[in-house]
Amino acid sequence: AQSVTQPDIHITVSEGASLELRCNYSYGATPYLFWYVQSPGQGLQLLLKYFSGDTLVQGIKGFEAEFKRSQSSFNLRKPSVHWSDAAEYFCAVGLRSNDYKLSFGAGTTVTVRA
Amino acid sequence: NAGVTQTPKFQVLKTGQSMTLQCAQDMNHEYMSWYRQDPGMGLRLIHYSVGAGITDQGEVPNGYNVSRSTTEDFPLRLLSAAPSQTSVYFCASRQLAGGPTGANVLTFGAGSRLTVL
Repeated sequence: AQSVTQPDIHITVSEGASLELRCNYSYGATPYLFWYVQSPGQGLQLLLKYFSGDTLVQGIKGFEAEFKRSQSSFNLRKPSVHWSDAAEYFCAVGLRSNDYKLSFGAGTTVTVRA
Repeated sequence: NAGVTQTPKFQVLKTGQSMTLQCAQDMNHEYMSWYRQDPGMGLRLIHYSVGAGITDQGEVPNGYNVSRSTTEDFPLRLLSAAPSQTSVYFCASRQLAGGPTGANVLTFGAGSRLTVL
């Protein structure tokens, strides 16, 4: 069955430390891949997306993600987190044959401590 | 440009009551969709539409109805609310042509928090 897995429910990181959020997918072919962020009480904002080509994708707010086909993963990273990065992060995938219907992972909540 | 507008932001219902969550977009997007967000489950697709007069079921459609009489509006109806429908609901839209490239990505509303007692 097709699925999107975010193994970490909650991550706590110190301000200035690096952050990596994991995302694995199970699809027959490489899907379109997205990372969204949701700040408390807000809607979802797109951080970055991968369609094809360069497997390292740059996004907004200093985030990047790397697509690894062999591991079916699309992990999100940030070298140095800021207190404003505290939020919930969602990985999402869309089939290339039906790209408007996105499936989301369960989300990872990031807490930033001073 | 208002984007995707959802109303109301908050609503409390009693079991068995009906209500409609409104969603409007001013970007001329063909595709519109409703998701519900529950803790530990991420966002799950309820219903979607690829144009006026066309709707289809998503992953969790039971208990919800939708219609798409205009390009701009995509209301979500709960005919008889149940406590299991307590959730945060998000409407999202996108232009269909050209795939999810460039700026053509799913745009979300701010959400509607529904509590069913």
